[in-house]
Amino acid sequence: GEDVEQSLFLSVREGDSSVINCTYTDSSSTYLYWYKQEPGAGLQLLTYIFSNMDMKQDQRLTVLLNKKDKHLSLRIADTQTGDSAIYFCAESMGGGATNKLIFGTGTLLAVQP
Amino acid sequence: ETGVTQSPTHLIKTRGQQVTLRCSSQSGHNTVSWYQQALGQGPQFIFQYYREEENGRGNFPPRFSGLQFPNYSSELNVNALELDDSALYLCASSLGTGGIEAFFGQGTRLTVV
Repeated sequence: GEDVEQSLFLSVREGDSSVINCTYTDSSSTYLYWYKQEPGAGLQLLTYIFSNMDMKQDQRLTVLLNKKDKHLSLRIADTQTGDSAIYFCAESMGGGATNKLIFGTGTLLAVQP
Repeated sequence: ETGVTQSPTHLIKTRGQQVTLRCSSQSGHNTVSWYQQALGQGPQFIFQYYREEENGRGNFPPRFSGLQFPNYSSELNVNALELDDSALYLCASSLGTGGIEAFFGQGTRLTVV
């Protein structure tokens, strides 16, 4: 089945690290993504990881993938108030056919100054 | 700035009416996907267009239809609007049906009254 789950809310203090977690169900997913959505805006692609990788680092962002447990996480180092937004993880279904994305319900990250 | 533009940004329609939403894809991208994002939810895949043909569809009724033009821009048409169609409609462009990166526009906020 197609199901992506995320916790609803995370609150951190400015300067701390944030870790947003996600679980997915389809082991055949080829890519897994993190998107950011600010109020009233579209989705901004933050990063993605290929399913045969365990980790990917991109500046302040670190993605960890545990394929056995179907668990994906996004760590944001030195979290800033501008990081406050909703974060969606998504898995890619189709891999070369129809590349549709299955999204989680989103995690609201609130950064306290 | 993704280069994906959608119009209009907001509109209000009455139940039973028809609506057309438009999307211009990023330069060089030949694939457009449409998503519906209800309030407080993650985006749900509606359908994808590749080289002017529908290439995959989500769990949406036939009153949701689309077009893609030779310049790869796209339209989403919804007939017989229902109150539950109120949502943010997002289009995403990518290169090829299995394109790794999908870039989203800012969305069209549709309110059905």
